[in-house]
Amino acid sequence: DIQMTQSPASLSASVGDRVTITCRASQRITTYLNWYQQKVGEAPKLLIFAASTLQSGVPSRFSGSGSGTDFTLTISSLQPEDLATYYCQQNYKVPRSFGQGTKVQIK
Amino acid sequence: EVQLVESGGGLVQPGGSLRLTCVASGFTFSSNWMTWVRQAPGKGLEWVANIKADGSEKYYVDSLKGRFTVSRDNAKNSLYLQMSSLRVEDTAVYYCARDVFRPTSIGGALYYYYYMDVWGKGTTVTVSS
Repeated sequence: DIQMTQSPASLSASVGDRVTITCRASQRITTYLNWYQQKVGEAPKLLIFAASTLQSGVPSRFSGSGSGTDFTLTISSLQPEDLATYYCQQNYKVPRSFGQGTKVQIK
Repeated sequence: EVQLVESGGGLVQPGGSLRLTCVASGFTFSSNWMTWVRQAPGKGLEWVANIKADGSEKYYVDSLKGRFTVSRDNAKNSLYLQMSSLRVEDTAVYYCARDVFRPTSIGGALYYYYYMDVWGKGTTVTVSS
């Protein structure tokens, strides 16, 4: 199975800050990488698929990059509504494993 | 409105069984892969299983093979997860999600992307004596 490792596990940043979350796969997955946002008490929401394609309706301050084993989710200017946990997920092969999550808090 | 609604969760004793149901509306259910994802209290997301649009292919996380069975009834726009020999560690919120299959040509190479773009609100399963 492919293991997905995210870092950091949590972070605290101020409104307007640039925030970066990394995700590393245990083997090469080209661009078979999705990012989800989960707010407390809610179901996950798709942000980005194919490593860098923004899902319709998602604010442009979110962006994704990477290929192979290393990927990044960037929030260019953190907003109060971005308080959430973010998960990467590989869709290279089944089981389609998730990272352990990165909790983003607002200072 | 595109919607997924899970039901069937509840309290069950260790060793017991439960069947979860996910009813879809607002899209052509029979054209889509579907997936179950679970989340234990205070923990991250765990991919559980998925099933092809026509039900001909099913995949499971290794740790659950033999205890959980995914199925669907396209005539009823319904997805199911039959869970047996339940353990305390199966306690979780269970989500169903639409799994989009998107073949994409990039630079002459063909990529087969999957992503979950519609999620239900989840149903809670508690395994406890």
